Amino acid sequence: DAGITQSPRHKVTETGTPVTLRCHQTENHRYMYWYRQDPGHGLRLIHYSYGVKDTDKGEVSDGYSVSRSKTEDFLLTLESATSSQTSVYFCAISEGGPATDTQYFGPGTRLTVL
Amino acid sequence: AQSVTQPDIHITVSEGASLELRCNYSYGATPYLFWYVQSPGQGLQLLLKYFSGDTLVQGIKGFEAEFKRSQSSFNLRKPSVHWSDAAEYFCAVGAREGRRALTFGSGTRLQVQP
Repeated sequence: DAGITQSPRHKVTETGTPVTLRCHQTENHRYMYWYRQDPGHGLRLIHYSYGVKDTDKGEVSDGYSVSRSKTEDFLLTLESATSSQTSVYFCAISEGGPATDTQYFGPGTRLTVL
Repeated sequence: AQSVTQPDIHITVSEGASLELRCNYSYGATPYLFWYVQSPGQGLQLLLKYFSGDTLVQGIKGFEAEFKRSQSSFNLRKPSVHWSDAAEYFCAVGAREGRRALTFGSGTRLQVQP
């Protein structure tokens, strides 16, 4: 299994509070991704990173920010959580490149915003 | 932009029966194609992938998938289903250029009857 951990694994918070989710990898992969999973929608990309300090938006980035100061860590921040951000969040990594784009997923973080 | 359609939200098969899960994609060129499986409460695990070459791809756990360019399809098959195959299955498409992120289908939940 790819060395990917996510913390916390479960979190309950209240509307309007800031929340930070952490993804940590031990594979030294260049690319890291944050997805959210909601019933009927599969996984949707929030943000991704293609290197330290290099990030870009995905299809559902509103209300989220990310940071990557080290290769191994990719942080997802909800500046002011809303109930619509209740979801399961998955981190993924890949080596990147045109022929090696398999993504490996972490175990997920279940976030509930009350 | 690429997109993926999994027409079947839920499928039930008997143990030992054959299985085919459908996946249709939309993309301007030959994409990267993937099938992932997610067991309840778990992250996603790669079953198989198509990058190029032979259009019939073998994966783990006895699964295979066939890329059919003319039909824009990448259907997943297994000749004999086991009770442990009960899970949710996601088809995904990745672009060969630009952002190396995946677009997922909404998933097919497989139930296996004894």
